[in-house]
Amino acid sequence: GDSVTQMEGPVTLSEEAFLTINCTYTATGYPSLFWYVQYPGEGLQLLLKATKADDKGSNKGFEATYRKETTSFHLEKGSVQVSDSAVYFCALLRMDSSYKLIFGSGTRLLVRP
Amino acid sequence: EAGVVQSPRYKIIEKKQPVAFWCNPISGHNTLYWYLQNLGQGPELLIRYENEEAVDDSQLPKDRFSAERLKGVDSTLKIQPAELGDSAVYLCASGTGSGEAFFGQGTRLTVV
Repeated sequence: GDSVTQMEGPVTLSEEAFLTINCTYTATGYPSLFWYVQYPGEGLQLLLKATKADDKGSNKGFEATYRKETTSFHLEKGSVQVSDSAVYFCALLRMDSSYKLIFGSGTRLLVRP
Repeated sequence: EAGVVQSPRYKIIEKKQPVAFWCNPISGHNTLYWYLQNLGQGPELLIRYENEEAVDDSQLPKDRFSAERLKGVDSTLKIQPAELGDSAVYLCASGTGSGEAFFGQGTRLTVV
């Protein structure tokens, strides 16, 4: 079945460091891909999305490119801030009648001053 | 624009007791989802509504879980009776039918 695999956390970085969180997926068809962020005590917020191969989603300095050949959607940011500390979830959306969002297990990011 | 509103935020109950969670979606969103998030894991879909119709409830444990969405707006998720393993965060989300989901803050359930 469809699935999403994320790198395990926590990922600990110093402020202004470069961030990469790996995400790969398995899916039939051509899913849309998402990154959601969950700050402590809050619900999930959509961070960025890409709907087709080679699309790049971006928001708040974060970027991810839909790579069909490697079935990946890695999240990157050039310079992280303490306020980026959160749990990041990669997800795919099955583009069939189910419209089902399937999430990875999440990656916790800790940014130290 | 108000987001998805869930209540209560936290609930502690004894095992075998019933519990209910309430969700008010974003105005105009026809699609409503209930997700279960266990500690350290990603959310998993329990049920999806299109208006008042449950179109995907294949992951809902129907022996103890039930849900309703009367009038196609607010929704209630119920567990009766609760078990220790039901301790988790229950997330409600809504959308316009394109698949993109907007999440509420969730209800953290602790069963003791």
